[in-house]
Amino acid sequence: AQSVTQLGSHVSVSEGALVLLRCNYSSSVPPYLFWYVQYPNQGLQLLLKYTSAATLVKGINGFEAEFKKSETSFHLTKPSAHMSDAAEYFCAVSDPGAGSYQLTFGKGTKLSVIP
Amino acid sequence: DSGVTQTPKHLITATGQRVTLRCSPRSGDLSVYWYQQSLDQGLQFLIQYYNGEERAKGNILERFSAQQFPDLHSELNLSSLELGDSALYFCASSVGGGRGNSPLHFGNGTRLTVT
Repeated sequence: AQSVTQLGSHVSVSEGALVLLRCNYSSSVPPYLFWYVQYPNQGLQLLLKYTSAATLVKGINGFEAEFKKSETSFHLTKPSAHMSDAAEYFCAVSDPGAGSYQLTFGKGTKLSVIP
Repeated sequence: DSGVTQTPKHLITATGQRVTLRCSPRSGDLSVYWYQQSLDQGLQFLIQYYNGEERAKGNILERFSAQQFPDLHSELNLSSLELGDSALYFCASSVGGGRGNSPLHFGNGTRLTVT
């Protein structure tokens, strides 16, 4: 069974500071990994995805994530936080061989950006 | 805008009642997924349909059922509602059924409140 652990349910950073949101996964097969963002009263929007190509994945809004197999991690980073980045971020994993995109989500990390 | 449409946006009903949530996928997407988001359980996969047929089942209660119609829209039926069913229900769609790397696109959700 797959699982995702997001360390820290709340993260606060100052505007302009580095954003680091942590995600560790557990999977018996090489997984597909995703980061989604959820703004208040909205659905989830895909930030980026890892599908066994380049280990450093660039996404929208200046975010990127690095797949590290040895650490079973897929941490999300952004060099400089902006006020508009305040939202909840979800890491998710799926099994490419399962024949279904049933994603297993982490519990989410709420990012606050302090002016 | 993800292109996935969910109706209604809000639903308030009483315990024991039955409700139907509706989802129209993005144009061209053949798969529809239903997820439940609650504070205590987080995002949980319920069920997936691909081109009218059930493809995968997750943590869906027996009181819940879904179907996908020939025009590819989907409905999630929740019956004998309990207070614990109060949650945000998301629909997502994807081009394929699960093999490949096309991501899920989420609607803005239906917020169900059971009183």
